[in-house]
Amino acid sequence: AQKVTQAQTEISVVEKEDVTLDCVYETRDTTYYLFWYKQPPSGELVFLIRRNSFDEQNEISGRYSWNFQKSTSSFNFTITASQVVDSAVYFCALEADSNYQLIWGAGTKLIIKP
Amino acid sequence: NAGVTQTPKFQVLKTGQSMTLQCAQDMNHEYMSWYRQDPGMGLRLIHYSVGAGITDQGEVPNGYNVSRSTTEDFPLRLLSAAPSQTSVYFCASSLLAGGPSSYNEQFFGPGTRLTVL
Repeated sequence: AQKVTQAQTEISVVEKEDVTLDCVYETRDTTYYLFWYKQPPSGELVFLIRRNSFDEQNEISGRYSWNFQKSTSSFNFTITASQVVDSAVYFCALEADSNYQLIWGAGTKLIIKP
Repeated sequence: NAGVTQTPKFQVLKTGQSMTLQCAQDMNHEYMSWYRQDPGMGLRLIHYSVGAGITDQGEVPNGYNVSRSTTEDFPLRLLSAAPSQTSVYFCASSLLAGGPSSYNEQFFGPGTRLTVL
């Protein structure tokens, strides 16, 4: 069975602090894709990143970085120097090669206080 | 491009009523899907389609029907609404290609907030 766990239900930090959102996944497939999406208070879903199972390089995009570790089945997301506009619910999701279904974590609500 | 559009944005139904949530995309995407989002939970897949004339069930298909007569449209039908179907519904689409580029980014519609009384 495939599963995505985001153990942190809610995180609250003060602006400019760094924050890491955890994502742990389960799958038996060797080919799979991991995603992070952002859902701001307005409700839309915003794609942040896709990573395939064969590429374990960490990725940095501005203040955002992602740490993919197959050994621990984790795909963690770090925001450096957080800003109030980063406040949102962040979802991690898994799409495995055996089907066309995207499995989502429950989401982590991130609150950045000014 | 309008991307993925959904109508209506809000809907209130009474138990037992039926209705159709509309979803359309203008990106010529083969793959389309419907999700529901409930408080404290991630999105759950209801139905999906990999092309016109082809549909399949997701994680929570009961109480919903879909059809895909064209590439652009993927309506979701609630047959007999129940309070348990109160949720926010998202439609999404993506390209569907084999090989390393499989499972491209899904583009999401703005959502439909449905309340069943």
